[in-house]
Amino acid sequence: AQKITQTQPGMFVQEKEAVTLDCTYDTSDPSYGLFWYKQPSSGEMIFLIYQGSYDQQNATEGRYSLNFQKARKSANLVISASQLGDSAMYFCAMREGMQGGSEKLVFGKGTKLTVNP
Amino acid sequence: DTGVSQDPRHKITKRGQNVTFRCDPISEHNRLYWYRQTLGQGPEFLTYFQNEAQLEKSRLLSDRFSAERPKGSFSTLEIQRTEQGDSAMYLCASSFFSGNTGELFFGEGSRLTVL
Repeated sequence: AQKITQTQPGMFVQEKEAVTLDCTYDTSDPSYGLFWYKQPSSGEMIFLIYQGSYDQQNATEGRYSLNFQKARKSANLVISASQLGDSAMYFCAMREGMQGGSEKLVFGKGTKLTVNP
Repeated sequence: DTGVSQDPRHKITKRGQNVTFRCDPISEHNRLYWYRQTLGQGPEFLTYFQNEAQLEKSRLLSDRFSAERPKGSFSTLEIQRTEQGDSAMYLCASSFFSGNTGELFFGEGSRLTVL
């Protein structure tokens, strides 16, 4: 079974509007972390936001927020006020065993976001 | 620039040749990771080091692959007898670990094409 599922291969959004990128995950480990990365065409993976499984509140970082629904095992990324520079691939990732477990990050297949002017 | 740097950025080689990639992490980071990313996929974990010790290796890392971090600073990833299936982007990342795993900072990757 896939650990991270991103069901949207591509998404389009108008500049200045908000967009939600979906991510569901599968784990039986009670301690895990969820990450979102942005990958522009240059190839570098840029960290956006992190949510720990024990965090009580949804993470926010500037225009990025993570809609964490633990029971549904979903960790959707919300980008508010989209900008042209947000056009990129977006990857959801999970690390299990945050307390001394594996260091392996498991990534989804990504969603290509295109922001239209 | 004080980010993670990788060299070369692009490498084209013929099947059967050996290739080596180098990664220079952020200077104060004690952990260094290698990932591989094929077209249309997310990155896949290969291995990671804490200082000079290689602590975890993926089953993806066949015996044709070897990674080293001899002095706990830069790292090399060597692929021997390359195959067309090795064509991918090889990403390096680093982090500072002090009891809790920190954020990973990635380099821009080394793209390998095996003809």
